[in-house]
Amino acid sequence: GENVEQHPSTLSVQEGDSAVIKCTYSDSASNYFPWYKQELGKRPQLIIDIRSNVGEKKDQRIAVTLNKTAKHFSLHITETQPEDSAVYFCAASHTGGFKTIFGAGTRLFVKA
Amino acid sequence: EAGVTQFPSHSVIEKGQTVTLRCDPISGHDNLYWYRRVMGKEIKFLLHFVKESKQDESGMPNNRFLAERTGGTYSTLKVQPAELEDSGVYFCASSQVSAGGFYEQYFGPGTRLTVT
Repeated sequence: GENVEQHPSTLSVQEGDSAVIKCTYSDSASNYFPWYKQELGKRPQLIIDIRSNVGEKKDQRIAVTLNKTAKHFSLHITETQPEDSAVYFCAASHTGGFKTIFGAGTRLFVKA
Repeated sequence: EAGVTQFPSHSVIEKGQTVTLRCDPISGHDNLYWYRRVMGKEIKFLLHFVKESKQDESGMPNNRFLAERTGGTYSTLKVQPAELEDSGVYFCASSQVSAGGFYEQYFGPGTRLTVT
């Protein structure tokens, strides 16, 4: 079946450094790629998303890039802060929210 | 605006018993999804409702799982009889079309199910 692979599973960075999380998807019909952040004991929340007609999107310290040819997309967090510590999930889906497939998550630790 | 709510937050049952999980989506959201996460693994898709209709149930593990959404409002997910491998966190999410034509999913807090 279709899947999304996410790497690394765990990432530890020093406060102020950058963090990069990478995902690869298999369903070539996917055209919407959201990223969710789940803090300890809380629900997953959307932090940024990108659509297939765009190669890059940025929102303050967070950016996402998409390479449709290679079926890769990545999350970049710059100037990391302790409050960025959480589990991050990437996902790929079709128009209308159909066929949403999540990656296994990346646990990010930001050390002060 | 109230978010997605789920009940119960935790459930511990014995193998062979029945459990029913409930999800109340954001009012007006036609799309409702059920997911399950086993510790350390992906958020696995189970089922997608559009209003009261099952749009996609390809992720349901087997016929021990039954999801309903009568009237297109809240949804229930029943596991009967429960097995040890059913343990995990069950998330519900809901969405509605945005101005751009895409669907941000809003997640509930999850129900942690432990089968002993």
